[in-house]
Amino acid sequence: EAQVTQNPRYLITVTGKKLTVTCSQNMNHEYMSWYRQDPGLGLRQIYYSMNVEVTDKGDVPEGYKVSRKEKRNFPLILESPSPNQTSLYFCASRQARGVNYGYTFGSGTRLTVV
Amino acid sequence: KQEVTQIPAALSVPEGENLVLNCSFTDSAIYNLQWFRQDPGKGLTSLLLIQSSQREQTSGRLNASLDKSSGRSTLYIAASQPGDSATYLCAVRQGSGAGSYQLTFGKGTKLSVIP
Repeated sequence: EAQVTQNPRYLITVTGKKLTVTCSQNMNHEYMSWYRQDPGLGLRQIYYSMNVEVTDKGDVPEGYKVSRKEKRNFPLILESPSPNQTSLYFCASRQARGVNYGYTFGSGTRLTVV
Repeated sequence: KQEVTQIPAALSVPEGENLVLNCSFTDSAIYNLQWFRQDPGKGLTSLLLIQSSQREQTSGRLNASLDKSSGRSTLYIAASQPGDSATYLCAVRQGSGAGSYQLTFGKGTKLSVIP
């Protein structure tokens, strides 16, 4: 089944403790992206990657890092999480070539930073 | 910068009714528009993707239309069912520039279908 897989689904952590949320897709998509969803603010893009070793900032990149060492994986790294990073996070992917491909989203990771 | 607005923010209808959800966007230079469904605390499920050159797309009881020049899209749900209860999100992908590398989302319409 074509899908985007995120892990973990739920995570509670303490301020300052480094964490990584993994994202993997099995569709050979070039483009991958991370979004966060907050009440009243909707979904906002954190980072995106056009291909292996190519990443760029979205609208809200502060406090996050990403890497794209393999085409299928795009982990989101919080080096020193803070309570304002408590949110619902989504990973998404799509074909890069051909402008009219839609996005596939993962099931989300609910992160709580205390 | 592109802005996407969805009206109404919430909608409650009795089972069996036909309904329309609205989405408007400020910049008509889009590649495509995608409608998603989100169940509480869950991921986004793609419902329909409309190319910028298309006027509508259909999938089962769902029909989405696009009027790019006026910056509007509608999602029509026929014969609504309790299982349709969810939040429906509209998202546009820009035609060029930084916006072409992301989706700009509306804040969604929360639909409740009452049995």
